[in-house]
Amino acid sequence: EIVLTQSPATLSLSPGDRATLSCRASQSVSSYLAWYQQKPGQAPRLLIYDTSNRATGIPARFSGSGSGTDFTLTISSLEPEDFAVYYCQQRMSWPITFGQGTRLEIK
Amino acid sequence: EVQLVESGGGLVQPGGSLRLSCTASGFTFSPYSMSWVRQAPGMGLEWVANIKQDGSEKYYVDSVKGRFTISRDNAKNSLYLQMNSLRAEDTAVYYCARDGYCSGGSCYSAVGNFDIWGQGSMVTVSS
Repeated sequence: EIVLTQSPATLSLSPGDRATLSCRASQSVSSYLAWYQQKPGQAPRLLIYDTSNRATGIPARFSGSGSGTDFTLTISSLEPEDFAVYYCQQRMSWPITFGQGTRLEIK
Repeated sequence: EVQLVESGGGLVQPGGSLRLSCTASGFTFSPYSMSWVRQAPGMGLEWVANIKQDGSEKYYVDSVKGRFTISRDNAKNSLYLQMNSLRAEDTAVYYCARDGYCSGGSCYSAVGNFDIWGQGSMVTVSS
């Protein structure tokens, strides 16, 4: 099973700041890495798929990068609605696995 | 509107059974593989099961193998999760999800890429 480790667990920033979230895989996932955003009481929402492709309707301030075992989600300038929990997820091999999440909170 | 709607959750005793349903609308259901993902209270996301477009292949997380069965009825645009021998640790919100992505105005199936989610159905296993 591929284990995904996200860091930091919590990130405290202010609106307008740049956010950098990391995800490290226990073995290569090639480019099959996605990012999801989840707000309280809501279903997750796909932000980025296959490392760097923005899903439909996702603002350009969200970007993804990386390859192999190290990946990054960057939010260039935080908007108030961006404060949420973010999960990375791999689909390289079964079982599909998620990271434990990074909570992005308002400083 | 593209939509997935789950139903069938509730309170069940340990060892009991429950069947979740997920009905799709706003898109053609049959070309997509589909998955179930769960989230225990206050915890992260856990993928549970996947089924290919025609139901010929199914995959499960180890913790539910032999107890849960995923199935689909393409004529009814529906996905199911039969859960037997339920345990307290199965308590969670269960989401159905479409495996796919959209790009350039077209949408494609992509196993393990969860682009559409239902609102979730709560399953509580407790005596």
